[in-house]
Amino acid sequence: QSVLTQPPSASGTPGQRVTISCSGSSSNIRSNTVNWYQQLPGTAPKLLIYSNNQRPSGVPDRFSGSKSGTSASLAVSGLQSEDEADYYCAAWDDSLNGVVFGGGTKLTVL
Amino acid sequence: QLQLQESGPGLVKPSETLSLTCTVSGGSISSSSYYWGWIRQPPGKGLEWIGNIYYSGSTYYNPSLKSRVTISIDTSKNQFSLKLSSMTAADTAVYYCARGDCGDDCYSPLFDYWGQGNLVTVSS
Repeated sequence: QSVLTQPPSASGTPGQRVTISCSGSSSNIRSNTVNWYQQLPGTAPKLLIYSNNQRPSGVPDRFSGSKSGTSASLAVSGLQSEDEADYYCAAWDDSLNGVVFGGGTKLTVL
Repeated sequence: QLQLQESGPGLVKPSETLSLTCTVSGGSISSSSYYWGWIRQPPGKGLEWIGNIYYSGSTYYNPSLKSRVTISIDTSKNQFSLKLSSMTAADTAVYYCARGDCGDDCYSPLFDYWGQGNLVTVSS
């Protein structure tokens, strides 16, 4: 059981907007920044969003992040087939004194 | 372009100690702007953080693995290493090394460069 809770799956059709939630607690999401990773099949994870809502260079602006209280969200707008991947949220946890990941959400483009 | 490459065995026997090395090329491992981490992923499952090592030499480990983990750094070789003792089948996973960018917060898991991963199977 992961410290950060994500839905196991999400789906949408091309062009749609999909959101993925990440629920935590006061010791992780409320107190610290959230980062998101995209993992395409058979590859290493890739940093997608950092500091709650910042995109690294090269990440399309179709991807956006937000945080409120003990929850964070990743939104993907204008869904494309190449967005089909696993998505993970991550944060530092002050109680555990370490990094915690969400269980991951598999995004399917129908 | 920074590159990270894991090296080590693909098969480990139960109760043995796993040793993996991550070689960093295209940049120096000796920078206070970055830290270095190990993350693993059991087949078909999610990501699990193992631990980080910082320029100062300080380390942070996953509490669930802390008693079995040691992460060290060798600046002369531009490498950092993972040792995980008392391996069991539950430790079978792809092990990734990654660079963490301190940015505004050296604790935030901002892993911007990853190795390709090293599959480690625990079996007799």
